[in-house]
Amino acid sequence: GAVVSQHPSWVICKSGTSVKIECRSLDFQATTMFWYRQFPKQSLMLMATSNEGSKATYEQGVEKDKFLINHASLTLSTLTVTSAHPEDSSFYICSATQGSRSGNTIYFGEGSWLTVV
Amino acid sequence: AQKITQTQPGMFVQEKEAVTLDCTYDTSDPSYGLFWYKQPSSGEMIFLIYQGSYDQQNATEGRYSLNFQKARKSANLVISASQLGDSAMYFCAMREDTNAGKSTFGDGTTLTVKP
Repeated sequence: GAVVSQHPSWVICKSGTSVKIECRSLDFQATTMFWYRQFPKQSLMLMATSNEGSKATYEQGVEKDKFLINHASLTLSTLTVTSAHPEDSSFYICSATQGSRSGNTIYFGEGSWLTVV
Repeated sequence: AQKITQTQPGMFVQEKEAVTLDCTYDTSDPSYGLFWYKQPSSGEMIFLIYQGSYDQQNATEGRYSLNFQKARKSANLVISASQLGDSAMYFCAMREDTNAGKSTFGDGTTLTVKP
């Protein structure tokens, strides 16, 4: 079964509203979670790294005021797309890991399809 | 320079045959991990196989094997006895110990298995 659960799987929101996506690790404590964005037929683009109890580290070019990331506990990270616009429509996917070493297993959520109308 | 290069945007293979998906990488970190993921049209990322930079033997997981050539910095995925359900996008990824646990992904290869 899934060890990382992402919710919602699909969301449609109106332009100008905000939408929150949750990423939960189900049976382990995730010290670090990563948020990605993916356009159709393209690779995953890392948006930010989320460490429990501290501010997220955003990649260059990602607007931190638009994509709010909170990692309040060792099992939950949230991505809030604020004042959404149609160009924010995309597939968003999170991953979680127990450590930052290259050999630590990474678990992906199921992903969330966001459509802004 | 790209850290992960997948030179095959699309590949076709006949059912029951083997196929190799290419991946080359670039890093100066002596400690790193290489991963392959399968992404079907539903979007979920399915972990297939992992190879550590210090591993002496090539990784294998069922029908998946990783042809790790460290000196050439290549980590090709071999899928044996292809099945129709193998049709998907495949991503090669790398994690470096010096890069705060971040994964770098290649552009992906779309594999189509023909009946």
